[in-house]
This record gives sequence, structure tokens and C-alpha cells, in this order.
Amino acid sequence: QSALTQPASVSGSPGQSITISCTGINSDIRDSNYVSWYQQRPGKVPKVVIFEVSDRPSGVSNRFSGSKSGNTASLTISGLQAEDEAHYYCSTYTTSSTYVLFGGGTKLTVL
Amino acid sequence: EDQLVESGGGLVQPGRSLRLSCVASAFTFDDYAMHWVRQAPGKGLEWVSGISWNSGSIGYAGSVKGRFTISRDNAKNSLYLQMNSLRVEDTALYYCAKVRMVGAATDAFDIWGQGTMVTVSS
Repeated sequence: QSALTQPASVSGSPGQSITISCTGINSDIRDSNYVSWYQQRPGKVPKVVIFEVSDRPSGVSNRFSGSKSGNTASLTISGLQAEDEAHYYCSTYTTSSTYVLFGGGTKLTVL
Repeated sequence: EDQLVESGGGLVQPGRSLRLSCVASAFTFDDYAMHWVRQAPGKGLEWVSGISWNSGSIGYAGSVKGRFTISRDNAKNSLYLQMNSLRVEDTALYYCAKVRMVGAATDAFDIWGQGTMVTVSS
């Protein structure tokens, strides 16, 4: 059982927006400014799309955005495209310790 | 281009040992903490272990604590994972990953290797 809870699957049509939630069991997310999101396309290596709750790495589309409210973090993808179909994983950590929690992952299907 | 290349995976019997290696190139290895993340076939990501840039901070997931040992050799740009007392449930693709921020013990993982497969079976 993952320490961070994500929905198993979400779906949306091209052009729509979807949101994936990530909820901590303890106050993992509430107490952390360090939440990241990873995209993993089938057969590929994970790729970070959001770090520090809402920052985007260079090269990641601005259609990806992150936020946090209480003990739940969220990843929103706007203007869905077929290439967004993938598994998405949240994670939380603190920069002062070598300990990371991952969510169980959410499969995004673009209809 | 920053790159990580893992090696050392294979088929091993339960209870045996295996040592994974990860060699880094194109970035200043000793500036960054490094981690191991695994993914069982058809399953999600599971953090395994992490080590700070100077080996001063080390952490393990509960599922491997006491059986796995992480280490690094900055002179060789290399990260290692010594896996002892292997179990069937350790079967997974093992990735090494680099943290994004210089000096942080943990951060988002911005560079991942392609992974090395470990299969534990009798």
C-alpha cells in the first residue's frame, strides 16, 4: 500500500482538462513544499513534469500545472493531447533527508 | 547530455545476493544526491534508497532496510546497491536517479537511467 493515494485511472477527451489528486495518509503533503509529479509513457523512463508543488522543468508544456491544498496535491493537464496518455506518479520528500514517498500511480487515458 | 547507465541485474535465487551499479556521465556527480527506484512488472514506482552527495545521509525504504546497502564512489562517478537476502518480491526494474538540486539530500529526480532488471526466482 502506497503512502500517497492516487486514483487508479482518469480519462478525458482531447482538448479537455483533467486533474489527478494525490493525498497523504499522514500530513506528508500538508507539511511539505516538495511535491513532484512524474509522467511515464508505456515502455519509457519516468520524466518529471512538476517539482516543488507547482514548478515546471524547462521543456515541459505549460499545459501541466500543479497545486496543493491541505494534505492533497493535484496535477492538472489542460488541452489534453493524445501524447499525454501515460501513467502519472506523485511523490513527496524533504530536501534534508534521503526519504521519498511515491503515490500508487494514475493511468491517464485520452479518449 | 546527462546520462546514467545501470548494470548488474540478472536472475538470482531467493536468499542470494546481487550488486547493482550505476555510472554517471556529463554532470558533476559529486554535487548531487543519488537514489534507487524500482518498478515491479506492471506495477508502480517504489523508492528504494537514497544517498547524499557526500554519503553523509542515507535512507532506505522499510521493505529493504537491513538487506540492501547503498554506496557511492565519487572518484568513479558511480552509485551502487548491494542487495542481500533477495526475495521474490524484490523482482523489479531498478532505476538509478539523480536529484535536481545541488546539495539537496532529496529532490525531484530529473535524470533517470534506463534501468536494470532483477529477477528473483528459484
